[in-house]
Amino acid sequence: AQRVTQPEKLLSVFKGAPVELKCNYSYSGSPELFWYVQYSRQRLQLLLRHISRESIKGFTADLNKGETSFHLKKPFAQEEDSAMYYCALGRDGGTSYGKLTFGQGTILTVHP
Amino acid sequence: EAQVTQNPRYLITVTGKKLTVTCSQNMNHEYMSWYRQDPGLGLRQIYYSMNVEVTDKGDVPEGYKVSRKEKRNFPLILESPSPNQTSLYFCASRNSGTYEQYFGPGTRLTVT
Repeated sequence: AQRVTQPEKLLSVFKGAPVELKCNYSYSGSPELFWYVQYSRQRLQLLLRHISRESIKGFTADLNKGETSFHLKKPFAQEEDSAMYYCALGRDGGTSYGKLTFGQGTILTVHP
Repeated sequence: EAQVTQNPRYLITVTGKKLTVTCSQNMNHEYMSWYRQDPGLGLRQIYYSMNVEVTDKGDVPEGYKVSRKEKRNFPLILESPSPNQTSLYFCASRNSGTYEQYFGPGTRLTVT
């Protein structure tokens, strides 16, 4: 069974500080990992995916298959980064399947 | 404007009274899903559909039904709602070949 764990429900940092949101997964196949974000009063939206290896809004995430992790990082947090962040796992061959498993979510608060 | 719409946005009902939450997308997406969001549990998939007349259970399907008679619509049916189905519900859609899901605005359901 596939599972996603985000160990921190709440994470608080000050503006300009580095931030890391943790995500660990369990899946026996080849995973596809994603980060979704939900800003206040906005819809949940895709932030980034491991396949594209891109940086969005200063955030990056590296898939570490050895540690089964996909932590989200940003070197200098901004107040507008305050949001709910979800890590999500898709099955391999993946896009032909409908199942996407989300973690419990982490609420990030960036203080001025 | 490309979007996913849900109706109603807020609903308060009583135990046992059948209800339907509608979901519609105008992007011609093959895949549609229903999720519920609960504090501490994150987003959990209820049902998903890979195309018209093709549906499958997610992680928490008990107490719910779905149908996919048209590509654009994916209603969620609660035949006999119970208080433990009080939650925030999200519909989402995506195209085949991508895991980027487009989410609706959410429906807050309270069952008393």
